[in-house]
Amino acid sequence: QSVLTQPPSASGTPGQRVTISCSGSSSNIGSNTVNWYQQLPGTAPKLLIYSNNQRPSGVPDRFSGSKSGTSASLAISGLQSEDEADYYCAAWDDSLNGPLFGGGTKLTVL
Amino acid sequence: QVQLQESGPGLVKPSQTLSLTCTVSGGSISSGGYYWSWIRQHPGKGLEWIGYIYYSGSTYYNPSLKSRVTISVDTSKNQFSLKLSSVTAADTAVYYCARAERPPGGDWFDPWGQGTLVTVSS
Repeated sequence: QSVLTQPPSASGTPGQRVTISCSGSSSNIGSNTVNWYQQLPGTAPKLLIYSNNQRPSGVPDRFSGSKSGTSASLAISGLQSEDEADYYCAAWDDSLNGPLFGGGTKLTVL
Repeated sequence: QVQLQESGPGLVKPSQTLSLTCTVSGGSISSGGYYWSWIRQHPGKGLEWIGYIYYSGSTYYNPSLKSRVTISVDTSKNQFSLKLSSVTAADTAVYYCARAERPPGGDWFDPWGQGTLVTVSS
């Protein structure tokens, strides 16, 4: 089964800009769109970014997504303490014929 | 807005069948346009797609679980269900139901239920 690779952890101080990467392959990110989910401690995941760079209603514009080739990134600007959470990338995988999630990145706000 | 709520036993014995139901409120499964999904998260781990169903009954499963999974829909109750057979401790996880949009080139899950922990143990 294909894998989307994320760094296990990331950190930043309040007000800082942080980025989280997601690396895939031609069968997933390289040929399909990328989504990002935020999972606050003890809660269900929440859709943060869809179709590479689209924000659902209610998601602050501090969150942005981008994709290039077989990699994608989530950027969070003006970091806030409430952004401390696990972040997951996801993309359709043509080999799996289904959606694939990254392993998740735990973001710590110092 | 649409809300989803999982229900079912929190403890299942090894080799038995795990059964969960997701009740949808604030919208109708039979209105179409969305796929109704099950996703799980092993303790302290990442997310794994299990499968989804369309209101018509068409199903799509993760190949790694396909031989043990059945997802069904009851439009009269606005519910869909998951059955996972021959469970082992490796199936211990938080199980989420979610609504999926599936345009060409991808899909995304929104909203999600709150999740329910299922432990497989004798």
